[in-house]
Amino acid sequence: GDSVTQMEGPVTLSKEAFLTINCTYTATGYPSLFWYVQYPGEGLQLLLKATKADDKGSNKGFEATYRKETTSFHLEKGSVQVSDSAVYFCALNKQTGANNLFFGTGTRLTVIP
Amino acid sequence: SQTIHQWPATLVQPVGSPLSLECTVEGTSNPNLYWYRQAAGRGLQLLFYSVGIGQISSEVPQNLSASRPQDRQFILSSKKLLLSDSGFYLCAWSETGRDSPLHFGNGTRLTVT
Repeated sequence: GDSVTQMEGPVTLSKEAFLTINCTYTATGYPSLFWYVQYPGEGLQLLLKATKADDKGSNKGFEATYRKETTSFHLEKGSVQVSDSAVYFCALNKQTGANNLFFGTGTRLTVIP
Repeated sequence: SQTIHQWPATLVQPVGSPLSLECTVEGTSNPNLYWYRQAAGRGLQLLFYSVGIGQISSEVPQNLSASRPQDRQFILSSKKLLLSDSGFYLCAWSETGRDSPLHFGNGTRLTVT
């Protein structure tokens, strides 16, 4: 069945370090892929998405490229800030029902000054 | 602007007691509504979604039920809680249309004792 495997955390980085959070998926067909972020004390919110192979989603300095050949959607940022500390969730749209998103377990990122 | 309200934020209930979690959305009409659960160490799991009043789809068989008595109200219920119902419950809404982003509430931490 469809699934998302996400890099386990927690991840701790120094300010301005390079960030990669790995995400791979298993799915039939051509799912859309997403990264959601949950800042402390807030609900999850969409960070970026890609709806077809080779698409690159980007937002707030974060990027992720839909790689069908490696079934991956890794999240990257060149220079993290303390304000990026949050939990990041990779997700795919299972294409059944109304936006039936299948989420990974989440990766907690802490950026230290 | 649209807002989503979910309450209570935390809840401790004994085994066998009933449950009612409520979620309301403001600032939009005919949204898709969702209930997700996150158990410890697991990703978010879709429990129920609704595309309209009285229309509920269940993704996994379980001890819970959902209802949508009004366009922007979504209720998660149980007649008798089990220990395994403990977890973090999130309500979300989206506009209709594939890949519309989900907007999440802040969640309810349920502990069944």
